[in-house]
Amino acid sequence: GESVGLHLPTLSVQEGDNSIINCAYSNSASDYFIWYKQESGKGPQFIIDIRSNMDKRQGQRVTVLLNKTVKHLSLQIAATQPGDSAVYFCAETWGAQKLVFGQGTRLTINP
Amino acid sequence: GAVVSQHPSWVICKSGTSVKIECRSLDFQATTMFWYRQFPKQSLMLMATSNEGSKATYEQGVEKDKFLINHASLTLSTLTVTSAHPEDSSFYICSARFGSLHENIQYFGAGTRLSVL
Repeated sequence: GESVGLHLPTLSVQEGDNSIINCAYSNSASDYFIWYKQESGKGPQFIIDIRSNMDKRQGQRVTVLLNKTVKHLSLQIAATQPGDSAVYFCAETWGAQKLVFGQGTRLTINP
Repeated sequence: GAVVSQHPSWVICKSGTSVKIECRSLDFQATTMFWYRQFPKQSLMLMATSNEGSKATYEQGVEKDKFLINHASLTLSTLTVTSAHPEDSSFYICSARFGSLHENIQYFGAGTRLSVL
């Protein structure tokens, strides 16, 4: 979905717990999705991607789930660490065109 | 992942001057480069798409004459903010994309914070 407003959703989790960050995307024709992590003052960093013909993909400590029926994407981070603190963006694209970024979620880790 | 270098990381300029930002793909040839703008606590807004050797494609509402993009080679794209004004102060980020072999992943530079006085 497109970015709206100035209020960034925030998710606070305890260190060591699992984090689930959600994203509702806008275009039912989107065929490729990416999660990015952006630390303060830096550019976005690629985390994991998934194609529309899949509903789950796993990486190191991260899992992306895709539900095309409700146009929903989620990023699960296992055993959250202080270094995971950042803003997380989902991005969608279709036909290898431009990426459309979601509004982002700020993940904070409580010690 | 691929490395994209963006320079400078921070620039302060006087109103009315022009500022050039460079974006380089260090270890691959980028078929396409992108320029984004990001305001505090907001998402990335695509400004333009740049293909080597051709004119950039600007998003609706982005002034072509104000934000000049040059993509002279497969490893370098530049964004020039002409006659900068305080409202142009923002965080500018470039990204680069491989060909289809690497799907549609865009690799981002570290960003440039522009402050116009």
